Amino acid sequence: GQNIDQPTEMTATEGAIVQINCTYQTSGFNGLFWYQQHAGEAPTFLSYNVLDGLEEKGRFSSFLSRSKGYSYLLLKELQMKDSASYLCAVKDSNYQLIWGAGTKLIIKP
Amino acid sequence: ETGVTQTPRHLVMGMTNKKSLKCEQHLGHNAMYWYKQSAKKPLELMFVYNFKEQTENNSVPSRFSPECPNSSHLFLHLHTLQPEDSALYLCASSQEIAGGPDTQYFGPGTRLTVL
Repeated sequence: GQNIDQPTEMTATEGAIVQINCTYQTSGFNGLFWYQQHAGEAPTFLSYNVLDGLEEKGRFSSFLSRSKGYSYLLLKELQMKDSASYLCAVKDSNYQLIWGAGTKLIIKP
Repeated sequence: ETGVTQTPRHLVMGMTNKKSLKCEQHLGHNAMYWYKQSAKKPLELMFVYNFKEQTENNSVPSRFSPECPNSSHLFLHLHTLQPEDSALYLCASSQEIAGGPDTQYFGPGTRLTVL
């Protein structure tokens, strides 16, 4: 079966760095996405990786290792507004997104 | 604002009611999706339309019935639902179903409660 695993909840301090991991087992791979979802709001796109390595976008970076079935989202200089759920999703061989359950990130002052 | 709107934002219905959820996208996309989001569970893909043709129906009970009259509008018709159907229903759109960074844009969702 297809499976995406990510931690249920993480806590970090304002101004710090946090890494959210995602491991996956899917039928086929056509890229990995990270989305941010604030409570009561729509998920919004953060990043896309299809090749191994690190993609940097401001305070957020995303890493992919296809051989290990592993990705992480790195958030630097954390701000209170970064408190949200972070969703990992993999596009499978049918071009459909397979989603993880999301990681709730709590930022403390 | 993502360019995808959903109405209503909240809906409470009895098990014998019939209601419809509406989604509209203003992005010129050709693919539209219905997802179910339950607490602490992964997003569940329910239906996919690509160029107005339904391409996926992931074993969704027949009490959920989708309709896609054109590339900009998507409906989810609900009848004789069960309490376990209570969830957040999200609509999304993308340029088309393909490989590559075909990003899905989500609406704010309809919070459905079935009594």
